[in-house]
Amino acid sequence: DSGVTQTPKHLITATGQRVTLRCSPRSGDLSVYWYQQSLDQGLQFLIQYYNGEERAKGNILERFSAQQFPDLHSELNLSSLELGDSALYFCASSVGGRDYEQYFGPGTRLTVT
Amino acid sequence: AQKITQTQPGMFVQEKEAVTLDCTYDTSDPSYGLFWYKQPSSGEMIFLIYQGSYDQQNATEGRYSLNFQKARKSANLVISASQLGDSAMYFCAMREDQGAQKLVFGQGTRLTINP
Repeated sequence: DSGVTQTPKHLITATGQRVTLRCSPRSGDLSVYWYQQSLDQGLQFLIQYYNGEERAKGNILERFSAQQFPDLHSELNLSSLELGDSALYFCASSVGGRDYEQYFGPGTRLTVT
Repeated sequence: AQKITQTQPGMFVQEKEAVTLDCTYDTSDPSYGLFWYKQPSSGEMIFLIYQGSYDQQNATEGRYSLNFQKARKSANLVISASQLGDSAMYFCAMREDQGAQKLVFGQGTRLTINP
């Protein structure tokens, strides 16, 4: 158990819908990262938050957005869902800074039908 | 730009043998970190080992060691005395220390341990 929690574990929804994925980082970790794992794209970085502020953006679509709340949990919002958004979405957390590992949550498996 | 290459899509090893999973990387950043993660069939990503670019010694964590050859830009994972539970996907990843602290992952190697 990495200490990072993600809910829900599985999500099945239809095209055009909107979903919210939730992540709670390990106690004491200030940084939260979101990654997407799909069969064709592999594991890709989406976005990072540090202590409530957006720190870096990766290959995140405009239909996707995220935020980190004062209690440090984070939410990833996916809207106007397409079949290609079906993937495993991971949240990872770290203390922050270059010398710290990123610990991954169990992931949310999103299926868009 | 950062790039990680894992050239072995799949590997089959007998139980109790040692196995080396290959990873090469490319970066222009002089300071970076290299990571290995294990992903069993259940899907979670398990952190295994970390090597910093300025670390003088190769990292070790139990049965895992990282064979870091900076000049060759390689960071191979060595698993000693393999066990059936080691069967999984293994991902090599890199983080550049300048800019975003994101991880860039390779395509992974599927390791199968045979009894």
